[in-house]
Amino acid sequence: NAGVTQTPKFQVLKTGQSMTLQCAQDMNHNSMYWYRQDPGMGLRLIYYSASEGTTDKGEVPNGYNVSRLNKREFSLRLESAAPSQTSVYFCASSGDRFNEKLFFGSGTQLSVL
Amino acid sequence: SQQGEEDPQALSIQEGENATMNCSYKTSINNLQWYRQNSGRGLVHLILIRSNEREKHSGRLRVTLDTSKKSSSLLITASRAADTASYFCATGRKQGGSEKLVFGKGTKLTVNP
Repeated sequence: NAGVTQTPKFQVLKTGQSMTLQCAQDMNHNSMYWYRQDPGMGLRLIYYSASEGTTDKGEVPNGYNVSRLNKREFSLRLESAAPSQTSVYFCASSGDRFNEKLFFGSGTQLSVL
Repeated sequence: SQQGEEDPQALSIQEGENATMNCSYKTSINNLQWYRQNSGRGLVHLILIRSNEREKHSGRLRVTLDTSKKSSSLLITASRAADTASYFCATGRKQGGSEKLVFGKGTKLTVNP
């Protein structure tokens, strides 16, 4: 049982480059999330998808776009990466939005030079 | 803005001792969750306590919730070196018709063998 799978695990980008972080879950969860984690800041919500076909902004959505491709997959796209987007990104899923426990992926460490 | 604030920021104890971490929050909540994060890994859910509950146990973990004081505590009894990790509280609440789960900055626990 894989749970939540994120790719890639590491990525280095130059300022202005674009990339997509992929996330897939095999638990038949309705809700999926993208968080970023910065030192001393805890986790901050970027975007979430309460169910297939819907997406909503979180606390720090600027500079990001998301796609809920189907029930299993939720991708995060950086159109024009900036050094301020250097962070560790986590994808998570849950059965019922924020009322149930979240299952996290292992993270993507992104550096923007 | 951070909803949950953990205290202390860092805690160092000897194996076999108990570890207590606290979480305070500012507004009414639906639930409060505790997560553990080992270095370089994703977060793992420990316990979810709902706003109408006062105490929950899971193995060596005990969580209390005092909604009148807007605070929660996580107690790890008979700690082990393997408990070394960062611990985060997350508060689930409704705001403006949408639900949110907001993480605190975490307590870094070191258990010395």
